[in-house]
Amino acid sequence: DQQVKQNSPSLSVQEGRISILNCDYTNSMFDYFLWYKKYPAEGPTFLISISSIKDKNEDGRFTVFLNKSAKHLSLHIVPSQPGDSAVYFCAARLSLGGATNKLIFGTGTLLAVQP
Amino acid sequence: EAQVTQNPRYLITVTGKKLTVTCSQNMNHEYMSWYRQDPGLGLRQIYYSMNVEVTDKGDVPEGYKVSRKEKRNFPLILESPSPNQTSLYFCASREQVWYEQYFGPGTRLTVT
Repeated sequence: DQQVKQNSPSLSVQEGRISILNCDYTNSMFDYFLWYKKYPAEGPTFLISISSIKDKNEDGRFTVFLNKSAKHLSLHIVPSQPGDSAVYFCAARLSLGGATNKLIFGTGTLLAVQP
Repeated sequence: EAQVTQNPRYLITVTGKKLTVTCSQNMNHEYMSWYRQDPGLGLRQIYYSMNVEVTDKGDVPEGYKVSRKEKRNFPLILESPSPNQTSLYFCASREQVWYEQYFGPGTRLTVT
């Protein structure tokens, strides 16, 4: 059962425009949500996060929005740059008790920013 | 430089030939884990370790073994690889109670 879903396998955007990557989840117990970026032949790298008690977090060109009622989050990249072309993974943290927690990843969205 | 290293980066092997993929981190992280990435399935956790000598199964542990004898190292062992274990493997580490995870560069494994 996929608890974190990224329904768009790919997205193509023109340079300078906004990129919007979407993620849906099913478990209301997730307490943090994260986005990771992955370039070919490299491991994923952490991009931005948001606590479940917030609805927006901004870091430069990257903003993550969380809609808890819809169990939906999105990553906005403005303006998009060719160097943003990568696979983006959405992830959610589930606390399992005490200091134990688990990250659950989505399937990824390949973003292509066209010059 | 803070990093997670994996070796080898690429490996082609045959069914049944035991192999080990090494993983090492230099950030003194307690928590380490292994993931596999497959098309359409994203990153799925194979095994994780919360500290030395403490390991547990993730979501897809069948056919894999791990050990954690030292804090910095977390090798992944395939005792008898099969073609369905052909995948891209990532080792990762993080602090126990946090969420920002550091990934290695990946190991592309092909089992024929």
